[in-house]
Amino acid sequence: GQQVMQIPQYQHVQEGEDFTTYCNSSTTLSNIQWYKQRPGGHPVFLIQLVKSGEVKKQKRLTFQFGEAKKNSSLHITATQTTDVGTYFCAGDNAGNMLTFGGGTRLMVKP
Amino acid sequence: NAGVTQTPKFQVLKTGQSMTLQCAQDMNHEYMSWYRQDPGMGLRLIHYSVGAGITDQGEVPNGYNVSRSTTEDFPLRLLSAAPSQTSVYFCASSYSGAYGYTFGSGTRLTVV
Repeated sequence: GQQVMQIPQYQHVQEGEDFTTYCNSSTTLSNIQWYKQRPGGHPVFLIQLVKSGEVKKQKRLTFQFGEAKKNSSLHITATQTTDVGTYFCAGDNAGNMLTFGGGTRLMVKP
Repeated sequence: NAGVTQTPKFQVLKTGQSMTLQCAQDMNHEYMSWYRQDPGMGLRLIHYSVGAGITDQGEVPNGYNVSRSTTEDFPLRLLSAAPSQTSVYFCASSYSGAYGYTFGSGTRLTVV
């Protein structure tokens, strides 16, 4: 079945440093979604990418979808303590099933 | 709008007991899913539905049943609880597969 891998599992950064998490799928995706989960909370939808090579920005967050539609990345510029949480990618291969990666837990030292 | 409502928030079961986790959404979303999240792990899909009367299995369906008699409700039934089912369960809904999902606040289940 479809597998979605995410690296790294954990990342400690100093406040103000940049952060990137990478997502790779074993199959070509129709779209990829990104979610953020704060400690003790539930996943919250951030964005969806659909087109090959697509790049979208939300303030300090930049999301990319690979040309082959099998990989994606999330980059945060100048992290803040409010960015703390676990970031998940989730791939949809048009089979109505959304498969989540294992997540990257971001910790920010003030 | 309440969004996605899950009840109960916490539950302790004894091995072998059965129970139903409730999930309701008021956004008229067609797609609904159940995920489980174990400590330090991602979310694994249990069952999902693309509309009333339609359900299908996800990655880890064993030990769970679902039904979708209305658009609003998508209950998850544990048939005979086992300690391996100790987890946090999230229900989520979406307008369609091409849109992001709205998650409920979760049910923390412990099976002893």
